[in-house]
Amino acid sequence: DAGITQSPRHKVTETGTPVTLRCHQTENHRYMYWYRQDPGHGLRLIHYSYGVKDTDKGEVSDGYSVSRSKTEDFLLTLESATSSQTSVYFCAISRGSGQGSNEQYFGPGTRLTVT
Amino acid sequence: GDSVTQMEGPVTLSEEAFLTINCTYTATGYPSLFWYVQYPGEGLQLLLKATKADDKGSNKGFEATYRKETTSFHLEKGSVQVSDSAVYFCAPPTSGTYKYIFGTGTRLKVLA
Repeated sequence: DAGITQSPRHKVTETGTPVTLRCHQTENHRYMYWYRQDPGHGLRLIHYSYGVKDTDKGEVSDGYSVSRSKTEDFLLTLESATSSQTSVYFCAISRGSGQGSNEQYFGPGTRLTVT
Repeated sequence: GDSVTQMEGPVTLSEEAFLTINCTYTATGYPSLFWYVQYPGEGLQLLLKATKADDKGSNKGFEATYRKETTSFHLEKGSVQVSDSAVYFCAPPTSGTYKYIFGTGTRLKVLA
């Protein structure tokens, strides 16, 4: 257990509204990640962070922004939610160097439905 | 770019059957490879890992050998149980910094 929590766990929102998902970790790991999981696509990286205020885009970053003002919190914001962003969102951390050599630990996920 | 090809599911087996889930990849960077498992309603969790060529990772009766010459990391289990029903993800090496890639996942259903 890497002490990762996500909130909310479930959310239903309307198209066009902003939504923020929170990932919180208790072990002060440097590397944090946001993924979305969709049938037929597996896990796809949205954004990641390699330190406070240090973030970068993943493969499906359009329509999403992130912020990390504290080591323990990594926020994912959908600026104007669309139905294509209906998905399950997972936060993850990586211990150690983060450069592909260490396993990741995942949060329990947030199921987001955009109507 | 880096890519991974994982056997498509679903895979349905009877209890005590032999399991193989194929995984091949193209990246040639950091050497660690991983298999993750996702049980219903949960996040992914590490099943096993291998950190160098010819290394064999094992856990809970599952095994996978890092075959650098064939760029493969197939998951095997000699006798599956109903409790192994889950989705399995292969995560190969990546040549980029800080990023990981995942296969599309293989759903396994084991029948009693």
